[in-house]
Amino acid sequence: DAGVIQSPRHEVTEMGQEVTLRCKPISGHDYLFWYRQTMMRGLELLIYFNNNVPIDDSGMPEDRFSAKMPNASFSTLKIQPSEPRDSAVYFCASSLDPSIVPQHFGDGTRLSIL
Amino acid sequence: SQQGEEDPQALSIQEGENATMNCSYKTSINNLQWYRQNSGRGLVHLILIRSNEREKHSGRLRVTLDTSKKSSSLLITASRAADTASYFCATDSGNTGKLIFGQGTTLQVKP
Repeated sequence: DAGVIQSPRHEVTEMGQEVTLRCKPISGHDYLFWYRQTMMRGLELLIYFNNNVPIDDSGMPEDRFSAKMPNASFSTLKIQPSEPRDSAVYFCASSLDPSIVPQHFGDGTRLSIL
Repeated sequence: SQQGEEDPQALSIQEGENATMNCSYKTSINNLQWYRQNSGRGLVHLILIRSNEREKHSGRLRVTLDTSKKSSSLLITASRAADTASYFCATDSGNTGKLIFGQGTTLQVKP
């Protein structure tokens, strides 16, 4: 069974450019989470969806960040315009019901903004 | 915001020894989970303990939870070099699945 798939695995781009990160959750999982991991702040939840609907986006740092889930098998996290402080590893995770079963993480996208 | 604080931040032991990591949190919880992260990879779930449970085992892992002290510990027995990774505790306070992670403990197991 395929796990959570994220693309790209690495992204290097210049400040000001638009960045789009992609995630394919495990089939049948109704919940999808986006996290950001940095040395300074650790692992932070940015936003999560239930049945393709955003439930809590209180962790989204600012308006430059947006996330969508157009269908049950695909989600994007977009940063526009990107800044050097956005450099981090971004993880996507999915779960059948996170209140009773664990979240499954992808291997992340390592983003570097120059 | 970080809910959990983990102790120690780093731990280095010899293969075969036991490793103990501790996690403290601030607010009441519904469950607490432990995850492992190998270098360059995503987090892998290890074990979930509910607020009404005090101890749980899974293979070489033993987790305890003391809700009165708002703390949990993860014990890895008979460690192996393959256990080298970072270990994170995460708390779910609202039974929503919204997890708040600690800063993690980096474990190195020397062969």
